[in-house]
Parts: sequence; C-alpha cells; structure tokens
Amino acid sequence: SQQGEEDPQALSIQEGENATMNCSYKTSINNLQWYRQNSGRGLVHLILIRSNEREKHSGRLRVTLDTSKKSSSLLITASRAADTASYFCATDEGGSNYKLTFGKGTLLTVNP
Amino acid sequence: DAMVIQNPRYQVTQFGKPVTLSCSQTLNHNVMYWYQQKSSQAPKLLFHYYDKDFNNEADTPDNFQSRRPNTSFCFLDIRSPGLGDAAMYLCATLAGGGTDTQYFGPGTRLTVL
Repeated sequence: SQQGEEDPQALSIQEGENATMNCSYKTSINNLQWYRQNSGRGLVHLILIRSNEREKHSGRLRVTLDTSKKSSSLLITASRAADTASYFCATDEGGSNYKLTFGKGTLLTVNP
Repeated sequence: DAMVIQNPRYQVTQFGKPVTLSCSQTLNHNVMYWYQQKSSQAPKLLFHYYDKDFNNEADTPDNFQSRRPNTSFCFLDIRSPGLGDAAMYLCATLAGGGTDTQYFGPGTRLTVL
C-alpha cells in the first residue's frame, strides 16, 4: 500500500529559486525520511526527521513535519542544476524501524 | 568507495529465461532489501532479510526468489521473467538495531525481450 504521497509530481524551476515538495502519509510513524534519486541511479538518503521533531535542517535542505496533519515538506533553497533529480519521502510503515514505504516522488528539474 | 554494489548494472534476458541479479555490501549490515522500481514509480519492496531471516512481502509474485548465502551477498532470482518484470531492481542495506537509514546500490536495469 502507498504510505507517502508527494506533490507536486513534477516541479520545474530556475537555478537560484527555492523548491518545495510535500508529502502526506496515512498511518502513525516513528520517523519520515527524504531520499533523492538521480536518473537511472539508486536512492541517496538526504535527511530523517523523527515524529517528535517539527523541523530539521541540513545544508540547503529544510524539512518540516506536522504529525497532526500527517504531512511533511522538503525545501531546497538556492537550487542548482545539480539538484535535478526525483525526491521521495519514505515512512516506517506501522512503526517498523527497518521497513520503509516510499511515496511516488517528485521530479524536480532545475533549469540553468 | 562503493558500499552497496550491484551486478550487472544492465541485464537483458529473454521472456521466460531465468535471471539472477547480484548485490554485495561492504557495510556489514544486518538487513538487506530488494526493491522493484518501474518507470516514474516509487520503489516497491519485494522482500528483505534480517540476518538469515527471510521476509517476503505478501504481494511479491512467486516468480521472485532470493538467497542470502552470507552477510555480504544477496541474490534476486527471477525464475521466468515476463515483460512486466522489466524494471530497475534496487538493493539496499540497513545496519539494524534501531538505525533507520537505508543505503542503496546503483540498481540493475532489467530488460525482458
């Protein structure tokens, strides 16, 4: 079953702009993670936010989590062409700490 | 240094011809996963091993089997590939013991002719 659902499905912006992607989920979670996938490659972990956290930063990334709304957002500031990739949120389904359910992803295109 | 290695990166097989995909890891992680990812879709978990314990997802077809002969290696066997099995197959690992981050290999792109 699909746990995380991202929107938008696709996002195209200019270099230097900020990009915001959203994720919604259905059941309770211990944590939510964001992964990045370059075309034709594996996924790379970006950031993890725990259910008792509301906001987390890592470099140009900012993640928020609203457990009351069962939603999260990923903000990439000052985007670069190299940020072009698909971004997936993933949740620990049913509280399992080693099994993830991925959303459908947002395809981000950053135009130079 | 590569931590999760998948071979081959590209695999072409014929309809119905068995194929084996390989994954190895240098992380000494307890958990290994196989995901199937079709174009523009989310990775879908097929099964995972926690050490030697095999855990199959309920909707994984019987056509897919897996072996984990030791900590470092895990194999995905597709007994009779169909056209619908053409996809990217991703291997991932997790340290276990309460950690949460999965480490992914680069994937194997399977084409079924």
